[in-house]
Amino acid sequence: RKEVEQDPGPFNVPEGATVAFNCTYSNSASQSFFWYRQDCRKEPKLLMSVYSSGNEDGRFTAQLNRASQYISLLIRDSKLSDSATYLCVVSSGGSYIPTFGRGTSLIVHP
Amino acid sequence: DVKVTQSSRYLVKRTGEKVFLECVQDMDHENMFWYRQDPGLGLRLIYFSYDVKMKEKGDIPEGYSVSREKKERFSLILESASTNQTSMYLCASIGAGGTYEQYFGPGTRLTVT
Repeated sequence: RKEVEQDPGPFNVPEGATVAFNCTYSNSASQSFFWYRQDCRKEPKLLMSVYSSGNEDGRFTAQLNRASQYISLLIRDSKLSDSATYLCVVSSGGSYIPTFGRGTSLIVHP
Repeated sequence: DVKVTQSSRYLVKRTGEKVFLECVQDMDHENMFWYRQDPGLGLRLIYFSYDVKMKEKGDIPEGYSVSREKKERFSLILESASTNQTSMYLCASIGAGGTYEQYFGPGTRLTVT
């Protein structure tokens, strides 16, 4: 399994800001992509899957760039409750073993 | 609602003890995983299982073993606990033929003294 890389941050932003995270992956055979959110001392939970056409869920937008092998997560109008670690997860076709990035820490302050 | 449960949230054991961590999922998932998570190192795969009685080593299997006697239950065993096994242990599962979404248990914070 190849690596998934993320900027660990922390990203320190004020409420209402727009913030974007990128994640690069090295295995060109990767087929499934996800962003998970992990709160302090809690388990990771799925935030959103990332589709080739990109997808949006409220204030969150995820994009996939297969040519450059990266995925992105954009958070608009940041809330204090968005403070968490965001994990990039990639799976290769036919394998149920996901590869996790080490996470990007986001801190939203008043 | 999907559920993965782990036997303990917090556990304190002594060096050399045998430790059992249990995980149960109620989603009829074929694939189950054990990870440990340490600051700065992210999630590291210890073992996974894709069926009853089947197991595969992950990235850091040394010092651990697993058991999967029933589909819903996946146990992690520390044969002789050591202080460097102090960590957060997370169990997860994925269903076959699905979206590859992993469901995690709440984690067990193990301290070995």
